Amino acid sequence: GAVVSQHPSRVICKSGTSVKIECRSLDFQATTMFWYRQFPKQSLMLMATSNEGSKATYEQGVEKDKFLINHASLTLSTLTVTSAHPEDSSFYICSARPSPTSDYEQYFGPGTRLTVT
Amino acid sequence: AQSVTQLGSHVSVSEGALVLLRCNYSSSVPPYLFWYVQYPNQGLQLLLKYTTGATLVKGINGFEAEFKKSETSFHLTKPSAHMSDAAEYFCAVSDRSNDYKLSFGAGTTVTVRA
Repeated sequence: GAVVSQHPSRVICKSGTSVKIECRSLDFQATTMFWYRQFPKQSLMLMATSNEGSKATYEQGVEKDKFLINHASLTLSTLTVTSAHPEDSSFYICSARPSPTSDYEQYFGPGTRLTVT
Repeated sequence: AQSVTQLGSHVSVSEGALVLLRCNYSSSVPPYLFWYVQYPNQGLQLLLKYTTGATLVKGINGFEAEFKKSETSFHLTKPSAHMSDAAEYFCAVSDRSNDYKLSFGAGTTVTVRA
């Protein structure tokens, strides 16, 4: 149980285009999902917290207009990278917190490798 | 705010030898502590966690960690390394002061020599 999927696993896009990444909890409901970014050989940095039915909360320094997050259902959150540029190339990982609220549980997706050319 | 320091960005061990990965944390309130493993181009897999209770925590794949409040440490060990243990390992902390959001250490790369 507790499986989180991400789609796509890899995406290559041209500079200036937008890319949408999906994060799904397959066998549980998740009121809260998290989006992380990981540069090569580095740790995970929390970008934003996504709450079902409300606006996402972004960490300091993350451009909310560039990284649009939508959490429309209890099993799906999406991250859209708008007007992507090469510096947005990274590994994006989501995680989901099961509902009813479990304060410490998070299950991670397999990640999405974004390359902007 | 909480934070994590992982001592040693890279650890190399011989197959069959002890694996020891060090993690120290900072938290103003009782922490939850985690160790995750990441294989190349994959997400994170939880190895073990400490929330409350017994301070020696056993996880998957033969790993264990001990929560030492007096030392603010949560070091990860495995008695005998296997080739399949070669991966990136992250220590993480969360607590109620930040709605239990995870803060990760910088990570430790483990290589296993045959």
